Amino acid sequence: QKEVEQDPGPLSVPEGAIVSLNCTYSNSAFQYFMWYRQYSRKGPELLMYTYSSGNKEDGRFTAQVDKSSKYISLFIRDSQPSDSATYLCAMRAWMDSSYKLIFGSGTRLLVRP
Amino acid sequence: GAVVSQHPSRVICKSGTSVKIECRSLDFQATTMFWYRQFPKQSLMLMATSNEGSKATYEQGVEKDKFLINHASLTLSTLTVTSAHPEDSSFYICSARAGGAGALGETQYFGPGTRLLVL
Repeated sequence: QKEVEQDPGPLSVPEGAIVSLNCTYSNSAFQYFMWYRQYSRKGPELLMYTYSSGNKEDGRFTAQVDKSSKYISLFIRDSQPSDSATYLCAMRAWMDSSYKLIFGSGTRLLVRP
Repeated sequence: GAVVSQHPSRVICKSGTSVKIECRSLDFQATTMFWYRQFPKQSLMLMATSNEGSKATYEQGVEKDKFLINHASLTLSTLTVTSAHPEDSSFYICSARAGGAGALGETQYFGPGTRLLVL
C-alpha cells in the first residue's frame, strides 16, 4: 500500500463545474499538506499549503484537511480550461533523519470549454 | 517571490557524455535542495537531498557516482549525470526549501524542469 493514494484520473468536467480532487494517506505523522499544479512538461507549481485540519480558501481554490480520516481535498470552483493540468498532493514526513515530501501520483484534470 | 530556475530547460546528448543541470533559488536562500526525476504520466521520484556545504543524501537505488550533486552555495545546486545512457533520459526537476519556522519555511518550490534526451 502506498503512503499516499491519489486517483490518477483523468477527470473531465465542463467549464464552470466544481472540481473535487482527493488524496488519502496512511501515516498519521504527516504534518504539512500541499497541493501542486503541474502543466505538461513543466515543473510543479505550489497552489496551497496547510497544516491543520479544516478549510483554507484562496480565490477559487479551497484546501480541506481531515486528519482524523487521513483525507485531504482540493476544490476548484468555476473551473476554467486553463485549470487543465495534473494536480499533485504532497505531505511532509520525517524520514531518514530529514524532512521529505511524499507525493501522490497526481490526478489529471481536463476542463472542457 | 520564491522563484527557482533551472538550466538548461532541454538537453540532447550522446551516450557516454556527461550533462550538468543547474538549479538556482533566485529570491531566497535555500538551505536544502532536492532533485527529482519524473517519467511520463508518473509522479515525482525523489533522487537526493542536498544541504548547502555538505554531501547529498541519496535515495535507495540511486547511484551516487552516476548522479553527482553539488550544493556549493545557498542559491545553487548542480546535478551532473555522468556517462549518460539512453535509460537516463527523463525529466529532472529540482526544488528548494528556505527552511526556518512555519509552513512557508517547510514548503518546497520547484524549478521548471530539465528534459534530458540521451541518444
